[in-house]
Amino acid sequence: EIVLTQSPGTLSLSPGERATLSCRASQSVNSRHLAWYRQKPGQAPRLLIFATSNRATGIPDRFSGSGSGTDFNFTISRLESEDFAVYYCQHYDNSPPRCTFGQGTKVEIK
Amino acid sequence: QVQLQPSGPGLVKPSETLSLTCSVSGYSISSGYFWGWIRQPPGKGLEWIGSIFHDGNTHYNPSLWSRVAISVDTSKNQFSLKVDSVTAADTAMYYCAKDYGDLVAFDPWGQGTLVTVSS
Repeated sequence: EIVLTQSPGTLSLSPGERATLSCRASQSVNSRHLAWYRQKPGQAPRLLIFATSNRATGIPDRFSGSGSGTDFNFTISRLESEDFAVYYCQHYDNSPPRCTFGQGTKVEIK
Repeated sequence: QVQLQPSGPGLVKPSETLSLTCSVSGYSISSGYFWGWIRQPPGKGLEWIGSIFHDGNTHYNPSLWSRVAISVDTSKNQFSLKVDSVTAADTAMYYCAKDYGDLVAFDPWGQGTLVTVSS
């Protein structure tokens, strides 16, 4: 079973700053099936990045993703007010079919 | 645009069965894609419950598979979730979501429905 570990647990930053989040898998994963979501308080998660580095439809270019194997990063180049939220990485394995989420990273206003 | 709306009882007694339905609009389930259920206990992270393809092919979280059943009704453009023998640990916000394509991610998500297990 693949376990995704996100770090840090909480990131305290100011608007306009750069945020870098990490997602580490317990074993090498297919980067095509690694995604990132943002969840604002009281809302459902929203897909931001799929296949490690591809922005979902309508997602601005301040969001980016990278990585391979077991180590993946998610970056927000300049934080805006709506970006202070919780971020989850996710992997969907095909064999056996199984979906796993990381425990989340909270980006809070410093 | 695709929209998903979960519905079902907000309160379920311990040991009973939790039943939820996700109604899909803007896309025909029978056209393809996987459709998933994900839950989130209050103040905690996301847990995948399972996914179903339009032909009924299902994937389940191994930690839940013995208590969970997901089905699809293409005539109503809905898919459903049943969780047997619920306990307080099953109290959560339950989300339904569409596969973005080739199981790369879930998007969009429904707004979620809160289910509380309590006597």
